[in-house]
Amino acid sequence: SQTIHQWPATLVQPVGSPLSLECTVEGTSNPNLYWYRQAAGRGLQLLFYSIGIGQISSEVPQNLSASRPQDRQFILSSKKLLLSDSGFYLCAWSEGLAGGPTSTDTQYFGPGTRLTVL
Amino acid sequence: KQEVTQIPAALSVPEGENLVLNCSFTDSAIYNLQWFRQDPGKGLTSLLLIQSSQREQTSGRLNASLDKSSGRSTLYIAASQPGDSATYLCAVRGAQKLVFGQGTRLTINP
Repeated sequence: SQTIHQWPATLVQPVGSPLSLECTVEGTSNPNLYWYRQAAGRGLQLLFYSIGIGQISSEVPQNLSASRPQDRQFILSSKKLLLSDSGFYLCAWSEGLAGGPTSTDTQYFGPGTRLTVL
Repeated sequence: KQEVTQIPAALSVPEGENLVLNCSFTDSAIYNLQWFRQDPGKGLTSLLLIQSSQREQTSGRLNASLDKSSGRSTLYIAASQPGDSATYLCAVRGAQKLVFGQGTRLTINP
């Protein structure tokens, strides 16, 4: 069966410090991968998605970047954190090559990372 | 730009009641609609996915309907239990991504 891992579970970082959050998926190959942020009082916002190694699409301009060095590894990074980067970060995956109205591309979410920037 | 709205933002009902959660979306050109559950401080769990060609999906005590032309979906929960307490999110899928509503926080009182 497929599983998705995220770490760390919680993180407290000072403003201006770097960030690296990691997400890995097991039990599937060539998945679509996603990074979301859930800020207090706001809905989930898609930050990045990837359909393959080295292929990253950014949804919103921001202080963050993403990389996919391996098929089932997705990393969210920042060189200098801002207070506004605080939030709950969720990684998700769906079956690769999915698309169109007949796909069953349910997204499966990881447990999340709670980031607090002070 | 797709916008998804969920009403109410919070709902509290006694155990055993049947209830309906609402979701509306502005652009009817969707591939599918999903309902998720999120427990406090946790990730999302997919409950039901309705393809754009379908009208409803059922799983146990949950039934989700989709009226694409009017931009509405409902999640019906039968015989509610305290374990159903969570935030319920709907999301519509467009060309490459899901657009989420802000969720309905549901509390079932014993």
